[in-house]
Amino acid sequence: QLQLQESGPGLVKPSETLSLTCTVSGDSITSSGYYWGWIRQPPGKGLEWIGEFYYGGSTYYNPSLKSRVTISADTSKNQFSLRLSSVTAADTATYSCARRRSGSGPTFDPWGQGTLVTVSS
Amino acid sequence: QSALTQPASVSGSPGQSITISCTGTSSDVGSYNVVSWFQQHPGKVPKLTIFEVNKRPSGVSDRFSGSKSGNTASLTISGLQAEDEADYYCCSYAGISGHVFGTGTKVTVL
Repeated sequence: QLQLQESGPGLVKPSETLSLTCTVSGDSITSSGYYWGWIRQPPGKGLEWIGEFYYGGSTYYNPSLKSRVTISADTSKNQFSLRLSSVTAADTATYSCARRRSGSGPTFDPWGQGTLVTVSS
Repeated sequence: QSALTQPASVSGSPGQSITISCTGTSSDVGSYNVVSWFQQHPGKVPKLTIFEVNKRPSGVSDRFSGSKSGNTASLTISGLQAEDEADYYCCSYAGISGHVFGTGTKVTVL
């Protein structure tokens, strides 16, 4: 059964870099036909797509975050990571990783449980 | 890329049908037949409920159906049940902008 699990600091200071890792079990991030990505949800607010990658292919980012975001993969650990630089309080959110089937649009499934990251000094 | 527009709330009595709209633009909903809908109960992870406008993942009740006309997609829940009370989000592919979610709709079962 495919499972995704986010990990990383729950508290980040303003202007610093947020770093999270998604550990995948039950499938390989090198599998063809799937994208792996990140989505966030500020407390009490809606969902926002952050970005995704296709192993051996391209990486795509939300244009509003593109200048601050990097998504990378570590195939030896079957993990992928999110880095968001120069964070502010507006970046406080639950960050979730998810898999998406290629060619079917936003079929984000499954999702990780999500991890709350608070930006505060 | 602006969020897709959904009504903030929709309510209905048990057994009734409700419809949630999701309005985008010709750059997203209007151009691609790949709109998804997600159901999110409080404190829970979003669940894929509809994909490619009107397809249901395995295990999703056939009381959920989707459609699209022009720049607006819709989710209909028939035979409303107490367990359907949740937040619902649409999401569309948006070309070079990637994917864009809707503003979210809170469904209340009266």
